[in-house]
Amino acid sequence: GNSVTQMEGPVTLSEEAFLTINCTYTATGYPSLFWYVQYPGEGLQLLLKATKADDKGSNKGFEATYRKETTSFHLEKGSVQVSDSAVYFCALRKGSSNTGKLIFGQGTTLQVKP
Amino acid sequence: SQTIHQWPATLVQPVGSPLSLECTVEGTSNPNLYWYRQAAGRGLQLLFYSVGIGQISSEVPQNLSASRPQDRQFILSSKKLLLSDSGFYLCAWSVGQEQETQYFGPGTRLLVL
Repeated sequence: GNSVTQMEGPVTLSEEAFLTINCTYTATGYPSLFWYVQYPGEGLQLLLKATKADDKGSNKGFEATYRKETTSFHLEKGSVQVSDSAVYFCALRKGSSNTGKLIFGQGTTLQVKP
Repeated sequence: SQTIHQWPATLVQPVGSPLSLECTVEGTSNPNLYWYRQAAGRGLQLLFYSVGIGQISSEVPQNLSASRPQDRQFILSSKKLLLSDSGFYLCAWSVGQEQETQYFGPGTRLLVL
């Protein structure tokens, strides 16, 4: 079946450090891939997405590249800020679905210290 | 612009009591609607989704039910809450050609004691 696996957290970094949060997936066909962010006490917000192989999604300094050969969609940011502290969820949507159902990873907590 | 509302924001209920959480969407028509639960320290689990009025699909067997009495209203209910129903409940919607992108509400934090 379809599934998403994220690296376990929490990830603790100092401000301006480089961030990588790993995400790998298992899916049939050609899923779309997403990163959502959840700030403390809030709902989820779409951070970025990629809909086909080799696409790069980017937003707010974050980037992720859809790698079909490694079934990965790792999230990166060159210089994190304290305001980036949040829980990050990787997700996939199966390509043939018309209901928009998403399958989420377990989430990775990022803590950025000043 | 579209907005999504959930209420209440926080709820503390005793075991065995009923539950009703409401989600409404504004600024769009015929959305797909979703209920997710996020248990403490865990990821999101899709509970229900709906593609239209009165159409509900359940993803996992559980103590909860969902209803969609109006196009932009989605309700999550229980007749008797269990301790394991505690969690953060998120409603989401998607629509149009961007079926893939889901937009989430602020969530309801439920604590069952």
